[in-house]
Amino acid sequence: EPEVTQTPSHQVTQMGQEVILRCVPISNHLYFYWYRQILGQKVEFLVSFYNNEISEKSEIFDDQFSVERPDGSNFTLKIRSTKLEDSAMYFCAVPGDWQETQYFGPGTRLLVL
Amino acid sequence: DAKTTQPNSMESNEEEPVHLPCNHSTISGTDYIHWYRQLPSQGPEYVIHGLTSNVNNRMASLAIAEDRKSSTLILHRATLRDAAVYYCILRPPPPAQKLVFGQGTRLTINP
Repeated sequence: EPEVTQTPSHQVTQMGQEVILRCVPISNHLYFYWYRQILGQKVEFLVSFYNNEISEKSEIFDDQFSVERPDGSNFTLKIRSTKLEDSAMYFCAVPGDWQETQYFGPGTRLLVL
Repeated sequence: DAKTTQPNSMESNEEEPVHLPCNHSTISGTDYIHWYRQLPSQGPEYVIHGLTSNVNNRMASLAIAEDRKSSTLILHRATLRDAAVYYCILRPPPPAQKLVFGQGTRLTINP
């Protein structure tokens, strides 16, 4: 079962600031996914990333968002200019064997003030 | 994205079996039935998945109706640690991409 860590666990930022959320899978993956969950709401898909390219994105993933694999191992989600409504838990996920399942990290709780 | 219907909440007692239902009347022939759960303050966690036949693993069992329009996740002996939101998700075969979460069923376990 793949393990995924995310940093930071919590981040507080001012509206308009840039934030970078990091995801570090223990083993090497070509696929990864980002999801978010606003407090009290359902988990929502943001983007999937395959082999250094975005393979699918939701309408939530607008120009303020970007994803990267900066050094071949960890993955980042950048929000360029945060808004109050970006406050949420952000989860990254990687596929299991045969890509049939997804394994989620513990999440980053982002609070935009 | 194919839709599933689950009860908003269910309650059960510790050490008793729990049957969590899911309706998916518009399921396509190639959709897999996945179950994930989310414990409080944690990310979603894979539980089990299947296509047509019933499935068992160390966490749970999945019973799939013959017409595949419904399924039931069975926790054979619930513990307090099984209290979570359980999501039933339809997913195309690999290389499938996203998971589409609904509201799920909030399961409460009474001691």
